[in-house]
Amino acid sequence: QSLLTQPPSASGTPGQTVTISCSGSNSNIGRNTMNWYRQLPGTAPKLLIYNNNQRPSGVPDRFSGSKSGTSASLAISGLQSEDEADYYCAGWDDSLNGWVFGGGTRLTVL
Amino acid sequence: QVQLVQSGAEVKKPGASVKVSCKASGYTFTLYDIHWVRQAPGQGLEWVGWMDPNTDNTGYAPKFQGRVSMTRDTSISTAYMELSTLTADDTAVYYCVRLVRKVIIYYFDSWGQGTLVTVSS
Repeated sequence: QSLLTQPPSASGTPGQTVTISCSGSNSNIGRNTMNWYRQLPGTAPKLLIYNNNQRPSGVPDRFSGSKSGTSASLAISGLQSEDEADYYCAGWDDSLNGWVFGGGTRLTVL
Repeated sequence: QVQLVQSGAEVKKPGASVKVSCKASGYTFTLYDIHWVRQAPGQGLEWVGWMDPNTDNTGYAPKFQGRVSMTRDTSISTAYMELSTLTADDTAVYYCVRLVRKVIIYYFDSWGQGTLVTVSS
């Protein structure tokens, strides 16, 4: 049972905007920056968002992150079929003294 | 460019140990912590622990304490993770990842390709 809670699945049609939530507590999201990773089947996760809302170079601006209190979210606008993947939120937890990941959200493009 | 290249797949019997290597290139090995994350088949990501290649300091997730050891060889820019007393629940893909630290901003920016460890009798 992860300390970060994500919905197991999300879906949308091409062109739509989808938002994936990540709920935590004061020991993780409330005090530390959050990151998001995308994992395509059979491959290693890849950094999508860091420091709550920053995109690494090469990540399209269709992807955006935000954080408020003990919750974070990832928004994907202009949904494309290649966005089908698993998405994970992650951050440091002060109580655990270690990194925690959300359980992951599988995004389906209908 | 930054690359982390891991050793190949392993098959181990219950009770055995496994040692996975992670060779870094494209940056100064001792300037970035290396973490290990694992993913059981069809499951999510789970943090195992970290190592500072410069100081050899380590930190492990509570559930792996006493069973995991992270080491490094700076002469060949390689990090190692050894997990002992394996059970079927340890069957997973193990990733080494590089941690970027900028003041209070922390994130994993580069991942190895993963090493599948299968524990089976």
